[in-house]
Amino acid sequence: SAVISQKPSRDICQRGTSLTIQCQVDSQVTMMFWYRQQPGQSLTLIATANQGSEATYESGFVIDKFPISRPNLTFSTLTVSNMSPEDSSIYLCSVSGGQMDKNIQYFGAGTRLSVL
Amino acid sequence: EDQVTQSPEALRLQEGESSSLNCSYTVSGLRGLFWYRQDPGKGPEFLFTLYSAGEEKEKERLKATLTKKESFLHITAPKPEDSATYLCAVQAPGTYKYIFGTGTRLKVLA
Repeated sequence: SAVISQKPSRDICQRGTSLTIQCQVDSQVTMMFWYRQQPGQSLTLIATANQGSEATYESGFVIDKFPISRPNLTFSTLTVSNMSPEDSSIYLCSVSGGQMDKNIQYFGAGTRLSVL
Repeated sequence: EDQVTQSPEALRLQEGESSSLNCSYTVSGLRGLFWYRQDPGKGPEFLFTLYSAGEEKEKERLKATLTKKESFLHITAPKPEDSATYLCAVQAPGTYKYIFGTGTRLKVLA
């Protein structure tokens, strides 16, 4: 597996502001994914972060609200823009591929976001 | 529409009381099924992957099995440290994306 670091681990933000979450992996990976986990709920895929091109978003998620960057094979960021209390969630990144099985995703510890 | 359903939502067991968690799926051709464990405040931890009906995987007190419609996670003689949320995810053909189930919250009492 890989060592996946997410920053920040938690944050409390004001409505209308934006937060950028970082995901750093200790080895090159093929795929990086971003998920949202609302309180007491399971994981919902936001988008697949593609290296060198625009992310692929799932239904219900748009680039203006959740811009994603992936400048190289070990790093990605997710920005939560113009936040509202409904954006309070855990945001998780996962990775697969590289030296690992492409089918198995490994997760970071998550970023716990509270929006006031 | 591809869907994953887990049952029960929550389960309380006495230490040593074996049981099974269920993951039912409807997907147009299964690429793979994955079991994860999630502790409070942490990301999901990979446990098993199953690719074809009849396949079984074991790790300590856990055993995962797969049929054409569902998977079971059997827990034998559980201990309090097995308390966690267990998540099931499926992968459809032609994609590496996961669809997660709602999870089963397991509590093992000493």
